[in-house]
Amino acid sequence: DQQVKQNSPSLSVQEGRISILNCDYTNSMFDYFLWYKKYPAEGPTFLISISSIKDKNEDGRFTVFLNKSAKHLSLHIVPSQPGDSAVYFCAASLNTDKLIFGTGTRLQVFP
Amino acid sequence: EPEVTQTPSHQVTQMGQEVILRCVPISNHLYFYWYRQILGQKVEFLVSFYNNEISEKSEIFDDQFSVERPDGSNFTLKIRSTKLEDSAMYFCAAASSTGPGYTFGSGTRLTVV
Repeated sequence: DQQVKQNSPSLSVQEGRISILNCDYTNSMFDYFLWYKKYPAEGPTFLISISSIKDKNEDGRFTVFLNKSAKHLSLHIVPSQPGDSAVYFCAASLNTDKLIFGTGTRLQVFP
Repeated sequence: EPEVTQTPSHQVTQMGQEVILRCVPISNHLYFYWYRQILGQKVEFLVSFYNNEISEKSEIFDDQFSVERPDGSNFTLKIRSTKLEDSAMYFCAAASSTGPGYTFGSGTRLTVV
């Protein structure tokens, strides 16, 4: 079951630059998409979400873009900071509270 | 600091034994969830719980699993007879209203030997 996919297991970005994390999905009926951040030994922390009726949502340094025709969403972090280094999961839901997660992308922001 | 507390943080158990994982949400949480993450794999939904009933469960959540909120506070996940493949991080999540952006606890690492 690969309904939500994150094809890049890792990403390395210099501090101050933009980080772009990508996520693809297969089920066109998903109605809500979320990004979670996870540090080691902690649970996932909700970061930002977007409804399927929108194509962009912005919250401070974080912006999520949704391209429904391509079944693709992305998370932009700008400017990236060392504290952003974590594993980022995208997730989707379909008319319920149940989340379907991707496999995660490990982001490392270096000075 | 997380609003959802899970205990224990790490549990080691022998195959075939029963384990109970506990989750202590804050008082206005009404919706509860369990997820697990096997090492190196994705986070997977197990079950959702509202108003003392299971709302939804995945195919992973078979007869070996059960959930309850016996004292109106702790939300527990019981695995009746653990198998080696139950070894994983188990995450509890909770929310005060319905919707997918809920709060996760920091997890319990279950190791079945």
